[in-house]
Amino acid sequence: SQQGEEDPQALSIQEGENATMNCSYKTSINNLQWYRQNSGRGLVHLILIRSNEREKHSGRLRVTLDTSKKSSSLLITASRAADTASYFCATDAGSARQLTFGSGTQLTVLP
Amino acid sequence: EADIYQTPRYLVIGTGKKITLECSQTMGHDKMYWYQQDPGMELHLIHYSYGVNSTEKGDLSSESTVSRIRTEHFPLTLESARPSHTSQYLCASSEFRPTDTQYFGPGTRLTVL
Repeated sequence: SQQGEEDPQALSIQEGENATMNCSYKTSINNLQWYRQNSGRGLVHLILIRSNEREKHSGRLRVTLDTSKKSSSLLITASRAADTASYFCATDAGSARQLTFGSGTQLTVLP
Repeated sequence: EADIYQTPRYLVIGTGKKITLECSQTMGHDKMYWYQQDPGMELHLIHYSYGVNSTEKGDLSSESTVSRIRTEHFPLTLESARPSHTSQYLCASSEFRPTDTQYFGPGTRLTVL
């Protein structure tokens, strides 16, 4: 099964609310990345957090990493309709040579 | 938007046809990748390349083949398309390590009838 699993699979909120998505993984990692994918498009990199970091911010995005629980969360504050997309976590698992992507969270922000 | 391009964006083709999906990037990246993604599902790595004349198979078995004759170009070929090949194909590249930030093209949605 895949290294990263996102939770929830789908999330629907009102504009202005905060959205939180979680990612769990199985093995030790060097870093964890979050990507966004608009419908029918490629992925866009949002943020990378290294295994020795616990929290990182970028604009309205806040990412946390808990290596003891093998989990990460992505928080989008003050969501906008334009944030509607699928969000994927991707892990760099130690000696693995490639990124492994999770199954994604489909976020819908209602205007 | 990243400087990585895929053509065609959509392709509907009959069973048994040979197809080539094109991917080009103008960022000078050595590392390039092909992923397969079914709607609403995770990405599966099917091929990657570390540079010119380097190609490797990914985690997901695929009947496709790739070539890397030029740094900027990484085409994927299916010799005989089948309905089971219907999917979205995403091309990506990265600058240094494969686990660095990857830049994705817009994807090719392939339907095999």
